[in-house]
Amino acid sequence: AQKVTQAQTEISVVEKEDVTLDCVYETRDTTYYLFWYKQPPSGELVFLIRRNSFDEQNEISGRYSWNFQKSTSSFNFTITASQVVDSAVYFCARNSNSGYALNFGKGTSLLVTP
Amino acid sequence: AAGVIQSPRHLIKEKRETATLKCYPIPRHDTVYWYQQGPGQDPQFLISFYEKMQSDKGSIPDRFSAQQFSDYHSELNMSSLELGDSALYFCASSLSYNEQFFGPGTRLTVL
Repeated sequence: AQKVTQAQTEISVVEKEDVTLDCVYETRDTTYYLFWYKQPPSGELVFLIRRNSFDEQNEISGRYSWNFQKSTSSFNFTITASQVVDSAVYFCARNSNSGYALNFGKGTSLLVTP
Repeated sequence: AAGVIQSPRHLIKEKRETATLKCYPIPRHDTVYWYQQGPGQDPQFLISFYEKMQSDKGSIPDRFSAQQFSDYHSELNMSSLELGDSALYFCASSLSYNEQFFGPGTRLTVL
């Protein structure tokens, strides 16, 4: 399986700080998809973004932004002005090399304290 | 908006028993995926179906089977349960191969 690496296991920030979650992926394909999901303490997996390999444009959605760099095989996620409700485990994922199932990274646990 | 429905939400079984988990995809979604998430782990892909046919297979044990029915709902059947099967089981659905939306999960505990 083509691996997704999230080197940061846990991050702790104080409310209103900016925080960047790193994601590095392996690929031997020219076409692939990258994703971010949020898993709050309640346990559900919330879809945040999907990016295909042909679209390197960075994306911003409110306080969230994503930086896709094919040259370094990275797809980093930044939360601006973090809030306590941002506390969750964040998973980066890519589609598997056999199809469209997701290969997840190990996740980064983000704790935002007041 | 309608979301993916999974039932039951919690299930407690004894070792060697069987369990059936159900998934109702978002209306008009034709693809269903099953994932298993152990405690403190990332979700692991088990199996998927597109238009009622198995489309991909991951690390699903031989003791497990699944199918997608004519109304697109899916069931994951688990037999000879082991302690290590205790996990959160997610179903996700998508329209063809677009982004997957996950259900709330079924928490299975095997005693």
